[in-house]
Formats: sequence, C-alpha cells, structure tokens
Amino acid sequence: EPEVTQTPSHQVTQMGQEVILRCVPISNHLYFYWYRQILGQKVEFLVSFYNNEISEKSEIFDDQFSVERPDGSNFTLKIRSTKLEDSAMYFCASHGGGEKLFFGSGTQLSVL
Amino acid sequence: DQQVKQNSPSLSVQEGRISILNCDYTNSMFDYFLWYKKYPAEGPTFLISISSIKDKNEDGRFTVFLNKSAKHLSLHIVPSQPGDSAVYFCAASSESSGDKLTFGTGTRLAVRP
Repeated sequence: EPEVTQTPSHQVTQMGQEVILRCVPISNHLYFYWYRQILGQKVEFLVSFYNNEISEKSEIFDDQFSVERPDGSNFTLKIRSTKLEDSAMYFCASHGGGEKLFFGSGTQLSVL
Repeated sequence: DQQVKQNSPSLSVQEGRISILNCDYTNSMFDYFLWYKKYPAEGPTFLISISSIKDKNEDGRFTVFLNKSAKHLSLHIVPSQPGDSAVYFCAASSESSGDKLTFGTGTRLAVRP
C-alpha cells in the first residue's frame, strides 16, 4: 500500500535554530497537511496545502512556520526559530480528494 | 476549546469481548466523523468513518454508531483481539471547516489475552 514518508524520524535542535521537516506524500494525492502532537495531548491541525498554496492554517501556525512544496514530490515544514514549546511529534498527511487522511510515521522534534 | 472529547483515557478488555470506545463533540456543524488507530512510533491509521446522515457504519469487526441528538459517537470492536491494542482517536470535520480534522485526546485500548 502506498504510504506517506517522513524524514527524519527524530530531530534534536537548539532553541532558536531553524528546522526543516520533510515529507513525501502519496504520489497522486493533491491535499497535504501538517499536524502535531505534543506529548500526552491530542493531535492538532497546523496547516493544509492545496494547489501550491495554504488553504487553511491554525492559530499555532504563526509567522515562525512555513510550508513549501519545492518540487513535485516533497512537502516541507520549516520552523524558523524553534522554541521549547515546539517540541512535539509532527505528522504529515495527504489525501487524494476523499475524507480519509493518510498519515506518515511522524518526526519527533526535540528543542533543547 | 475541546470540541471533540474522549473522556476515557484508557480501556482494558479481555480478548474476545467487545470494546466500546466513546467520543462526544460539541460543535453541531461537524458532519463527518472518523476513527483513527495509532500504534507507538507510527502515524494515525484510518479505521472507519461515518457521515452525519447515517447512524451506523460497519466494517468487519468495527462498527461506528452516531447519535446526533446526543452529539455522541462510539466505536465497537467485536471480538477484540490483542492486536487491537493501540490508541484510538476520534476525529471530526465539517463542510465549513474545509478538510481540517479536529481530533479528540485519544483512548488507549489494551486487549488482554
């Protein structure tokens, strides 16, 4: 079965540093998302992306966050200046037009 | 603002018995509901969904029931198997919110052999 691939699986960074989380969505999907889950809390929506632009974003997704689809296969989440509270598991997801989202295995981001 | 609530953080069930996971929501605009299963170190995996025009949807051992008047849905797993042990998330979406999913906090199911 096709799957969403995320790299790296773990990322450790110093507070204030920039990080880029990478995702390869399922190839024929057109809708892309980032969600995150802080330890012990619920999975939270960050941003949705369609047709090369952000279609919706949450309050969490402030100016420190950006997304990009630099080529036909990758979808990235950049955090410009990480904060301690950005530590979380970040999930990329995609779908091809239905309601069923396919999630990647996540990137565990630890900000020290 | 917890629009989707799963009030039971954990549930333990004997193998072969029924597991019932509950979910409540407050936003009456939600019109589509999904259950996702999550194993450690993996992303959520879609399990089953239901539209607000239905009150029941069944897929093998999994059945989701929706009570719109009570703003309540439940996932029934029967018979439960040890491999069902995971965290189960309820999620909801509405036409007005686009395709954004709002998740509950999850219920950790443990199926005892």
